[in-house]
Amino acid sequence: NAGVTQTPKFRVLKTGQSMTLLCAQDMNHEYMYWYRQDPGMGLRLIHYSVGEGTTAKGEVPDGYNVSRLKKQNFLLGLESAAPSQTSVYFCASTSGRGAYEQYFGPGTRLTVT
Amino acid sequence: AQRVTQPEKLLSVFKGAPVELKCNYSYSGSPELFWYVQYSRQRLQLLLRHISRESIKGFTADLNKGETSFHLKKPFAQEEDSAMYYCALSGQAAGANSKLTFGKGITLSVRP
Repeated sequence: NAGVTQTPKFRVLKTGQSMTLLCAQDMNHEYMYWYRQDPGMGLRLIHYSVGEGTTAKGEVPDGYNVSRLKKQNFLLGLESAAPSQTSVYFCASTSGRGAYEQYFGPGTRLTVT
Repeated sequence: AQRVTQPEKLLSVFKGAPVELKCNYSYSGSPELFWYVQYSRQRLQLLLRHISRESIKGFTADLNKGETSFHLKKPFAQEEDSAMYYCALSGQAAGANSKLTFGKGITLSVRP
């Protein structure tokens, strides 16, 4: 049981490049989340999904897109990376409404130069 | 709107000293409050939740609705408590309870 996994672990992009971060969970969780963690800013919710085929905006969605085509996967896309998107990205999942413990992935460290 | 405030960024104490990590919240309804912890090189994990009213690793936290606070306390700090701690809130309103709002976090450093 791997829990929540994230791919890749590290990535360096040039401004304007695109990339997709993959989050996978093997716990059959309904809800999945993408956060970014920045020094002094804490964890901020980018997008989330309450089920396969559904997505919703979080606190800081601009510059990101997401897709949840399969229940176990939640993809975060950066279409045109900017230096302001340099951050550590965390994925999390939970079993559903009322189950508040979120299970986190190990994080992806992204640098945009 | 829901908001979580952790007023301090860093708390440094000696081993054996008491610890109090402050958390205040703003929410119009009845909130669920949590503390998450991130040890060095580990992923974020749930430490405790107010609804369970339990002590985990010697830590306790009491929800004070009058003061809208959920401070995390431990009477005697250990070096292994050094970590980043986040306070988080989930609302009970429709749609709100599918998300957590996190504070900015506080680094606890316990010196030998």
